[in-house]
Amino acid sequence: DTAVSQTPKYLVTQMGNDKSIKCEQNLGHDTMYWYKQDSKKFLKIMFSYNNKELIINETVPNRFSPKSPDKAHLNLHINSLELGDSAVYFCASSQGLPGRMNTEAFFGQGTRLTVV
Amino acid sequence: AQTVTQSQPEMSVQEAETVTLSCTYDTSESNYYLFWYKQPPSRQMILVIRQEAYKQQNATENRFSVNFQKAAKSFSLKISDSQLGDTAMYFCAFTPLFGASGTYKYIFGTGTRLKVLA
Repeated sequence: DTAVSQTPKYLVTQMGNDKSIKCEQNLGHDTMYWYKQDSKKFLKIMFSYNNKELIINETVPNRFSPKSPDKAHLNLHINSLELGDSAVYFCASSQGLPGRMNTEAFFGQGTRLTVV
Repeated sequence: AQTVTQSQPEMSVQEAETVTLSCTYDTSESNYYLFWYKQPPSRQMILVIRQEAYKQQNATENRFSVNFQKAAKSFSLKISDSQLGDTAMYFCAFTPLFGASGTYKYIFGTGTRLKVLA
């Protein structure tokens, strides 16, 4: 059973298109995240959601819009894709907000987005 | 600002030898959590070990152990008896105690690429 699953794993698309990445966790966690890993492997937080409410939006362009229909799902929609959006996008979840006792983040396998 | 620094972009070690990966962090918080994550070529991020800052005892998990120096803000990872399967990117991560400074995220270092040689 995959704890945090993302679809698709690979996504190749043209500039200007709109695309979505889906994420689901079956761990019963109430906090979910989107991280972006660039070509240099740097992991940067994009969004954090707790109980379906947005708690962090880390100066991400408006073209990126997360949506959390319920606690187990956090999807990422990207409008008007640009070359610079090419990266690996990771979904993660944790039991409660970061910094609670024994709270570590569980990650999905990542979605490699390539914009051509 | 809270930052995590990994000063070794790449390292290599012979199989069965011991290697230490460095991590330093900057924070004004006194209570926080530190983590080491492993990212093998499969891309999956896997938790290796966790340390609570209020615990003086260094965490250990089988062949993995940490050297946590709170005053120096240092959190190094030691891998003993290195195995080929340890080849991966290793990321150090930090998060303050819940609610502190309004930081609700895990802050990652830039990673160290470790290669275990046969």
